[in-house]
Amino acid sequence: GESVGLHLPTLSVQEGDNSIINCAYSNSASDYFIWYKQESGKGPQFIIDIRSNMDKRQGQRVTVLLNKTVKHLSLQIAATQPGDSAVYFCAEKNDMRFGAGTRLTVKP
Amino acid sequence: NAGVTQTPKFRVLKTGQSMTLLCAQDMNHEYMYWYRQDPGMGLRLIHYSVGEGTTAKGEVPDGYNVSRLKKQNFLLGLESAAPSQTSVYFCASSYGQGTVPQHFGDGTRLSIL
Repeated sequence: GESVGLHLPTLSVQEGDNSIINCAYSNSASDYFIWYKQESGKGPQFIIDIRSNMDKRQGQRVTVLLNKTVKHLSLQIAATQPGDSAVYFCAEKNDMRFGAGTRLTVKP
Repeated sequence: NAGVTQTPKFRVLKTGQSMTLLCAQDMNHEYMYWYRQDPGMGLRLIHYSVGEGTTAKGEVPDGYNVSRLKKQNFLLGLESAAPSQTSVYFCASSYGQGTVPQHFGDGTRLSIL
């Protein structure tokens, strides 16, 4: 079935640098996407969402970019902090599957 | 506002025992979900509900049953626990935007010996 997936299982960045986490999807009819953050021992937490009528959406230090042509979205975290260390998941409306996620590690 | 609350947080069972995991949400959400999370496999949907009195199967429903007698509660039952059901279980809810959950509980760690 249709699913979303993540390009890399791990990402290590220096504190203060920007982070980019990527996600690919296969259903061209997908029209709503969500990014989650999961810290160790906790449940996933909603970060930001984007609808397909948008190419970009910004939150506090986070930006999601959507490229419908290549069915790709990315989560950008500005000035990455140690508290950003977590596993990040993307998900698509009507898709009940999550990938294993990308583990972001922030080095001090 | 507690959000999504799961009980218990930890439990150890013997093979063949039964138990019920409880999930409660105070956001008046229509949709509720049960996921399991295993190392390296991400979240997998067990069952979900789109409203009070309704339930549906997800990706991995075998060995589990659910009930949604009240809008705010979603119960996950294991009738005869098996070691393969050792996992972390997450409940989630959403107001109804497709089938993507918006709020998660902090999980129930279940070990089956």
